[in-house]
Amino acid sequence: DAMVIQNPRYQVTQFGKPVTLSCSQTLNHNVMYWYQQKSSQAPKLLFHYYDKDFNNEADTPDNFQSRRPNTSFCFLDIRSPGLGDAAMYLCATSKGPKAGGLDEQFFGPGTRLTVL
Amino acid sequence: DAKTTQPNSMESNEEEPVHLPCNHSTISGTDYIHWYRQLPSQGPEYVIHGLTSNVNNRMASLAIAEDRKSSTLILHRATLRDAAVYYCILIRARGQGAQKLVFGQGTRLTINP
Repeated sequence: DAMVIQNPRYQVTQFGKPVTLSCSQTLNHNVMYWYQQKSSQAPKLLFHYYDKDFNNEADTPDNFQSRRPNTSFCFLDIRSPGLGDAAMYLCATSKGPKAGGLDEQFFGPGTRLTVL
Repeated sequence: DAKTTQPNSMESNEEEPVHLPCNHSTISGTDYIHWYRQLPSQGPEYVIHGLTSNVNNRMASLAIAEDRKSSTLILHRATLRDAAVYYCILIRARGQGAQKLVFGQGTRLTINP
């Protein structure tokens, strides 16, 4: 029944060591999003893919990159993690604007990243 | 997108109704009012949305003020499982492009047994 799957659920990396977080979906949705949620804060959008088109938020650091090799999968790459990048990373999907007034986003359970 | 203002926290008792307020005084005519909630250790989930008229679904009701400058999410009989952070988000209808969620701080709802 899982619709948005994130692996791993917990990831530990070392300061400066590249890390990749994975997201997959079984909903065949057009849009995939990555959010960062630091402790006791609200989720913050990093970027999203609309089909193959990548859309970066203006304040997303260059250290964060993303890949979407096909409809089902999307990856978040952190090139050189710093201590400040420790957070929960949430993946979400949606159908896109064809849904009209509602474009409900479906979230995965998140990957909690620890940077040592 | 226009901003929303919510109380930081609210508390209620199990099986009682809960009214979660949201102010959005700068809302524009094409802004939809969306509510998401985030249960502990989970990703957010959609609750309800509306434009002008009050809305009901299996999870909650949404009451929208006539001038649309405020709205209230109503949980008719709160259960312990409703303890979560509730986010009120305005989303401007666009003909194309994804609808991006801009989360404010939300309201942390505590339900007492």
